[in-house]
Amino acid sequence: NAGVMQNPRHLVRRRGQEARLRCSPMKGHSHVYWYRQLPEEGLKFMVYLQKENIIDESGMPKERFSAEFPKEGPSILRIQQVVRGDSAAYFCASSPRPGTGPTGELFFGEGSRLTVL
Amino acid sequence: DAKTTQPNSMESNEEEPVHLPCNHSTISGTDYIHWYRQLPSQGPEYVIHGLTSNVNNRMASLAIAEDRKSSTLILHRATLRDAAVYYCILRVGSNQGGKLIFGQGTELSVKP
Repeated sequence: NAGVMQNPRHLVRRRGQEARLRCSPMKGHSHVYWYRQLPEEGLKFMVYLQKENIIDESGMPKERFSAEFPKEGPSILRIQQVVRGDSAAYFCASSPRPGTGPTGELFFGEGSRLTVL
Repeated sequence: DAKTTQPNSMESNEEEPVHLPCNHSTISGTDYIHWYRQLPSQGPEYVIHGLTSNVNNRMASLAIAEDRKSSTLILHRATLRDAAVYYCILRVGSNQGGKLIFGQGTELSVKP
């Protein structure tokens, strides 16, 4: 059973370009979470989605950032008009439907590292 | 989410036990204590969780104080591969899902 897959693992963008980060959850998982980790800092929650629905976006910046988890395909975190401060590692996690897993464990991917020049 | 307090860093020698403390004085009756760790350049991984009783699994043990205001993650024999940041997190309902709120964690270094 493959784990959470994130791509690209590394992405370089110039200021003003768009960045798209993709996350394929573990098989059977219907819930996806995105976290951001700035250099030398802790993990900050961004958004929590289930298929075709945003459950909690309390950690998303108000502008330029959006996330989706369509019925088919991976979850996408989209950053428009990137700035240098967006340079960070972005981690995706997945879980089964709440109440169905034994531990409520979140399974994390290896992360996508965005560098903005 | 209730808050946890952990030391910023700890050191251990290889092959020795490590006790990582966590204070959670505002814990409520329905909060589970979860531990995750993040190895360098990797995503976090689940370590263990518990509610009231001490817990053991293949990775670690979790000792929970009787009043539940603190807990200790125990690595019985530290290896170099255990060097990581360890996060203690409170969660309402063990398997109820939802986001995890990470604090600063404890950075564990292991010396050969």
